[in-house]
Amino acid sequence: QVQLVQSGAEVKKPGASVKISCKASGYTFTSFPIYWVRQAPGQRLEWMGWINPGNDNTKYSQKFQGRVTITRDTSASTAYMELSSLRSEDTAVYYCARHKYETRALEDWGQGTLVTVSS
Amino acid sequence: SYELTQPPSVSVSPGQTARITCSGDTLPKKYANWYQQKSGQAPVLVIYEDTKRPSGIPERFFGSSSGSMATLSIGGARVEDEADYHCYSTDSSGNPLFGGGTKLTVL
Repeated sequence: QVQLVQSGAEVKKPGASVKISCKASGYTFTSFPIYWVRQAPGQRLEWMGWINPGNDNTKYSQKFQGRVTITRDTSASTAYMELSSLRSEDTAVYYCARHKYETRALEDWGQGTLVTVSS
Repeated sequence: SYELTQPPSVSVSPGQTARITCSGDTLPKKYANWYQQKSGQAPVLVIYEDTKRPSGIPERFFGSSSGSMATLSIGGARVEDEADYHCYSTDSSGNPLFGGGTKLTVL
């Protein structure tokens, strides 16, 4: 079955960067885009960007442009999301999710990674 | 900028039909999807393309859409359906949008 397994919780200081991994299994990694979505406490889900692992194309939300970088390692079936210049407002649970063209939906989600930004 | 608007909370008694709405200017032209998110868990897709149910989702989950409003209905709501429900669509550029989420209480 499809699984997306994310790396563990992180605690970072303001100004630092964080890099979260998302390892995919149960399907052909290069056939479906991976989206990154975050959920800050009490806030709505928020799209950050996506990557097409097949051709390495990426698109980022304007809100995070310049601070977020999404990459992939096809040999490891893993996508990565790096967020830089962290501030307290970046404290959130970060999810990766697989987008399926047939349903135009984010069908499968990772378990989430809590990132805490605190001095 | 585009936004999707949901009521913050909906409350029903067990067995009643719960209706959660999502309004947005893009909805007449873009599909709505719905996600269920239980406390501490990742979202789960329950409706896609306005009205379709993924396999494994109970038939009591029903989606509809008219004009600028999409609606998720849960017929015969159960205590186990208590969760946050999020609508999801895209803006005119194809960028993902989420609604603010609706907390469903069944008691």
